[in-house]
Amino acid sequence: QKEVEQDPGPLSVPEGAIVSLNCTYSNSAFQYFMWYRQYSRKGPELLMYTYSSGNKEDGRFTAQVDKSSKYISLFIRDSQPSDSATYLCAMVWDGSEKLVFGKGTKLTVNP
Amino acid sequence: DGGITQSPKYLFRKEGQNVTLSCEQNLNHDAMYWYRQDPGQGLRLIYYSQIVNDFQKGDIAEGYSVSREKKESFPLTVTSAQKNPTAFYLCASSWGGRLNQPQHFGDGTRLSIL
Repeated sequence: QKEVEQDPGPLSVPEGAIVSLNCTYSNSAFQYFMWYRQYSRKGPELLMYTYSSGNKEDGRFTAQVDKSSKYISLFIRDSQPSDSATYLCAMVWDGSEKLVFGKGTKLTVNP
Repeated sequence: DGGITQSPKYLFRKEGQNVTLSCEQNLNHDAMYWYRQDPGQGLRLIYYSQIVNDFQKGDIAEGYSVSREKKESFPLTVTSAQKNPTAFYLCASSWGGRLNQPQHFGDGTRLSIL
C-alpha cells in the first residue's frame, strides 16, 4: 500500500461548481497536512497548512482532516477557471525525514 | 519581494557533462530542499539541508551532488552518473530547519538531454 494515495484525475467541472479533492494515507503518524496548487510549468504554491484533525477555511478553500479515517480533503467553492491546476497533498510528522507528497490531481474549471 | 529564485528556467545537458542548477532564497529560511518531478511520479526528494554546511541524501540522491556554503544558496549538480536526468527540478525552503514546516517552492528548472 502506498503511503499517500491521490486520484490523478483529470477532473473537469463547470465554473461555479464545488470541487472536492481528496487524499488517503496509510501512516497514522502523520500530523501536519498541506495542500499545494501547481500551475503548468510553475512550482507548487502552498494553499493550506493544517495540524491534526479538523477543518480550516481560507476564502473559497476549506481543508478537512479526518485522522480516524486517514483521509484529507480540499474543497473549493465557487470554482473559477483560474483554479485550473494540479493540486498536490503533502503530509509529515514530527521526527520524519521528509514531506510525503501525493501525485497530484489535475483540475480543469470550464467557463 | 521575498522568494526562491531558480535558474536557469531551461537547461540542456550533453552526454558526459555535469550541469549545475542554481537555487537562491531571500526568505531567511534555514532548510532547503531539491526535488525531482516526473510525469505521473509526483515529487521525489533528492537532497535536503537543514543548516549551512550540512546536508542529507533524500530518496534519489545517486547521480546528484549539492553544497550549502551560504544560508541563501543551495546549488544542485546533476552529474554524468545520472543516466536519466530529464525532469523538472524544484527547489524549496522552509523556516526553522524542521521538516514539519510548510515548504515554499521556486518555479523550477526543466533539464533535457541534447
